[in-house]
Amino acid sequence: AQSVAQPEDQVNVAEGNPLTVKCTYSVSGNPYLFWYVQYPNRGLQFLLKYITGDNLVKGSYGFEAEFNKSQTSFHLKKPSALVSDSALYFCAVRESIGSSNTGKLIFGQGTTLQVKP
Amino acid sequence: DTGVSQDPRHKITKRGQNVTFRCDPISEHNRLYWYRQTLGQGPEFLTYFQNEAQLEKSRLLSDRFSAERPKGSFSTLEIQRTEQGDSAMYLCASSFSAGPALQETQYFGPGTRLLVL
Repeated sequence: AQSVAQPEDQVNVAEGNPLTVKCTYSVSGNPYLFWYVQYPNRGLQFLLKYITGDNLVKGSYGFEAEFNKSQTSFHLKKPSALVSDSALYFCAVRESIGSSNTGKLIFGQGTTLQVKP
Repeated sequence: DTGVSQDPRHKITKRGQNVTFRCDPISEHNRLYWYRQTLGQGPEFLTYFQNEAQLEKSRLLSDRFSAERPKGSFSTLEIQRTEQGDSAMYLCASSFSAGPALQETQYFGPGTRLLVL
């Protein structure tokens, strides 16, 4: 079964410091990976995705993610955190079953990022 | 605002009542998805449409749940005979897919928060 794991429920970082939010995945074929952010009482906002190509993917608001096939990871990073980055972050993988594609995204349980001034 | 919109944003109902939620996708998006998100969890896929065709509905939680997209534009999700366990955030997402949908990006609406008393 395909799955996504976010091993940390919460990540705390000081403003101005680099941040990393971890994600590992399990898929049967090529991984198609996504990061979304959710602010309180809001829907999910797309940050970035990995489809193919460069292992370092750049996205919105200065975020980037590093795809590592050997470690089956797709960690989200930002060189300098802002207080406004505090939110709930979700990693997701698109389900693919053979040649069938439901379009379904499988999400991790989320990681709360707390950036302190 | 040309994003995905959902109505209502909040719904409080009594157990046993029927509720209907509406989703308006981004204009020209041909795919529309419904997800459910309970507290502390990532979104869980329910169903999706390509234009007006419902291509995957086996993930709907029970036969009390149904969804329609009659003209390939907006969609409705209905829950009949609501139960307290139906309390959750219901999220709609849309995307444009012209080929292999594995590469598409889903854009989410703000969600409808349902509370069943």
